[in-house]
Amino acid sequence: QQQVKQSPQSLIVQKGGISIINCAYENTAFDYFPWYQQFPGKGPALLIAIRPDVSEKKEGRFTISFNKSAKQFSLHIMDSQPGDSATYFCAAFNTGTASKLTFGTGTRLQVTL
Amino acid sequence: KAGVTQTPRYLIKTRGQQVTLSCSPISGHRSVSWYQQTPGQGLQFLFEYFSETQRNKGNFPGRFSGRQFSNSRSEMNVSTLELGDSALYLCASSSPGSRETQYFGPGTRLLVL
Repeated sequence: QQQVKQSPQSLIVQKGGISIINCAYENTAFDYFPWYQQFPGKGPALLIAIRPDVSEKKEGRFTISFNKSAKQFSLHIMDSQPGDSATYFCAAFNTGTASKLTFGTGTRLQVTL
Repeated sequence: KAGVTQTPRYLIKTRGQQVTLSCSPISGHRSVSWYQQTPGQGLQFLFEYFSETQRNKGNFPGRFSGRQFSNSRSEMNVSTLELGDSALYLCASSSPGSRETQYFGPGTRLLVL
């Protein structure tokens, strides 16, 4: 059972544009939602994370929007750059019990010139 | 602070062999989690260790095992390798007060022939 659904599978954005990646979860016990960025040949790097008590968190060009009632959250990359080309994973964690990250299937982002 | 380190980075084995992978967490981190990443199944949780004890286990066969040492370094072992075990094996560490904030190493790329 896939508990975190991620879309789109791939995304092409022009330099300077906004990249938007969406995730939806099923388990309401999840209470921590990070995003990871992975370049080829590297491990996932923690980008930004949010908890359900806030609806938005911004760090530089990266923003997470969180909709608790809809059980959805999204990553927005403003002013996308070619260096942002990577695979992005959303994840969810239940701090109460699970102690494991449940990942989405990943979005391959390509930022063109 | 140095990041999570994993050795070896690349490994080629044949079916039926066994393999041991090593992970050194970030200094001060006592929790180590292991994940398997494949194109087909994505990122899947294998197990988590804390203070030398396995705290959580994913849905993998008993051929996958691990352990943690008193210095928090961890090893995972896969016995009787199968072709389907070819994957990127990732280790992540987290601090005692923030299990959900996991930092990944570069991974070990295992190829089973």
